[in-house]
Amino acid sequence: EDQVTQSPEALRLQEGESSSLNCSYTVSGLRGLFWYRQDPGKGPEFLFTLYSAGEEKEKERLKATLTKKESFLHITAPKPEDSATYLCAVQARSGGYQKVTFGIGTKLQVIP
Amino acid sequence: DADVTQTPRNRITKTGKRIMLECSQTKGHDRMYWYRQDPGLGLRLIYYSFDVKDINKGEISDGYSVSRQAQAKFSLSLESAIPNQTALYFCATSDLGTSGDAYNEQFFGPGTRLTVL
Repeated sequence: EDQVTQSPEALRLQEGESSSLNCSYTVSGLRGLFWYRQDPGKGPEFLFTLYSAGEEKEKERLKATLTKKESFLHITAPKPEDSATYLCAVQARSGGYQKVTFGIGTKLQVIP
Repeated sequence: DADVTQTPRNRITKTGKRIMLECSQTKGHDRMYWYRQDPGLGLRLIYYSFDVKDINKGEISDGYSVSRQAQAKFSLSLESAIPNQTALYFCATSDLGTSGDAYNEQFFGPGTRLTVL
């Protein structure tokens, strides 16, 4: 069974204090790994898609990387507006069924 | 205006009642999805539709039904609501992936908070 585990569950950082969020996965043939940001009371907002090990993508203070077993979301010099829950999801090669498994998320709080 | 809208945003109902959640989109996407989100469980797929004539069950479809009235409209129904259907429900859309049926980024609505008493 496909599994996605995100750690830590919650992270509190001082403004400017860089850190990383982890997404470990087990899936029968990875088709894609996705990062979303979710603000309280809102739907998830797409950030990145990674397709193969070694791939990296950046957007402002965020950088996502992918290995064969996990993905990291690196946050460089975070600001209070980066506070949100970050969700990781994986899609497996499972024929026609759009099987996408989401993690529970990491709740990030950036303190001014 | 929001690209993906959901109505109602909040709903409190009683056990056994029929309820419909509606989703509309202006993104022009063919693919639409319904998810539920529960604390500690993450998002789980209920149903998905790749076009008006294509409806598919997700991993937790029992107790739910859907209707794709048009490309832009996808509704979720609970025929007889029960308390464990209390959750946050999200509609999402996507266009075709770059390689056939590959998953593409999804655009989520603001969610409907449903409470079944």
